Amino acid sequence: GENVEQHPSTLSVQEGDSAVIKCTYSDSASNYFPWYKQELGKGPQLIIDIRSNVGEKKDQRIAVTLNKTAKHFSLHITETQPEDSAVYFCAAPASGSARQLTFGSGTQLTVLP
Amino acid sequence: NAGVTQTPKFQVLKTGQSMTLQCAQDMNHNSMYWYRQDPGMGLRLIYYSASEGTTDKGEVPNGYNVSRLNKREFSLRLESAAPSQTSVYFCASIVGSSQNTEAFFGQGTRLTVV
Repeated sequence: GENVEQHPSTLSVQEGDSAVIKCTYSDSASNYFPWYKQELGKGPQLIIDIRSNVGEKKDQRIAVTLNKTAKHFSLHITETQPEDSAVYFCAAPASGSARQLTFGSGTQLTVLP
Repeated sequence: NAGVTQTPKFQVLKTGQSMTLQCAQDMNHNSMYWYRQDPGMGLRLIYYSASEGTTDKGEVPNGYNVSRLNKREFSLRLESAAPSQTSVYFCASIVGSSQNTEAFFGQGTRLTVV
């Protein structure tokens, strides 16, 4: 089945700096890669996703890049703000199923004022 | 617009006690899931239900049972709680296609087994 690895597990940045979180996946047939943000005391929420037919997608201060050859994708947050502090999860569809997701182990991002 | 609702939000159990975590979604999704979240281990799938009337084991099913009561409700039962089941539990419903797979999560249940 699909295996998703996520790094780093913790990341601290100064407010205004950029943050990058990276994930690798194992199933070359995977074609959809979402990112979820989990704020303290809440469930994860989808913030951005990318399909395999594009290499980059942006939404204001967040962007996701995909390298299908290397089987990795990354979340980029620019001009970080304190409200960006949260746990971020990458995910990929479980092998053979469009209705299951395999999640990475999560990254605790802390934005220091 | 409630989305996915889980109850209770917090629970403390003694070893050997039983309990049922409740989950309901109002988005008319076919697929529902139970995950547990532990530090450094991300979200691990316990059980899922691809449609009403079906349930399947996920990555970590031991010690749990589930019931898909109807299209809206999917419950998780611990028959004899163990300290290793101390975790945060999330219910999710997923809408999936060949183009995208989006999960909608509940607020979570923080369970402590002493």
